[in-house]
Amino acid sequence: GDSVTQMEGPVTLSEEAFLTINCTYTATGYPSLFWYVQYPGEGLQLLLKATKADDKGSNKGFEATYRKETTSFHLEKGSVQVSDSAVYFCALSNPTQGGSEKLVFGKGTKLTVNP
Amino acid sequence: KAGVTQTPRYLIKTRGQQVTLSCSPISGHRSVSWYQQTPGQGLQFLFEYFSETQRNKGNFPGRFSGRQFSNSRSEMNVSTLELGDSALYLCASSWPASGYGYTFGSGTRLTVV
Repeated sequence: GDSVTQMEGPVTLSEEAFLTINCTYTATGYPSLFWYVQYPGEGLQLLLKATKADDKGSNKGFEATYRKETTSFHLEKGSVQVSDSAVYFCALSNPTQGGSEKLVFGKGTKLTVNP
Repeated sequence: KAGVTQTPRYLIKTRGQQVTLSCSPISGHRSVSWYQQTPGQGLQFLFEYFSETQRNKGNFPGRFSGRQFSNSRSEMNVSTLELGDSALYLCASSWPASGYGYTFGSGTRLTVV
């Protein structure tokens, strides 16, 4: 079945450092790819998405490019802030014949940014 | 516009009891999914409803069930609670378009004692 593998961390960075969180996937067909972020005590927030190969999703300084040749969707940010401290989840959805688009998640990467 | 609303936010139940969780999706969203989040297993898909029909189901025992009403609101029920059912239960809604992505609620934290 479909699966997502992401670096589990935890990752600890200093403010203004460069962030990369690796994510690779296994799926048939043409899945859509997502990054979600979860702050303590909250649900998941959609950070960015890409629906086809070579698409770049971006939001709040974060970016990720859908690379079909390497089955990857790595999350990057050029300069992290303390407020970026959270758990980040890579996910895919691959529509079934019935149209269902359940999300398959990686295990999450906890990011801590120190001032 | 209002986001996905889940009630209650916190629940404490005793083993053997049953529980019902509620989810109100974003207005206009017709797809509602439920996920269980635990430290050990991560985020796992429970089921998805679209226009009152269960469209997909995850690998959970029959004690876990759900339904969707004509106004797209959804409930999930867990019967005969076990300690291992303690988790954060997340509801998510989506516009019925491929790759749109899901908007999640804040979740219901269920503790079984």
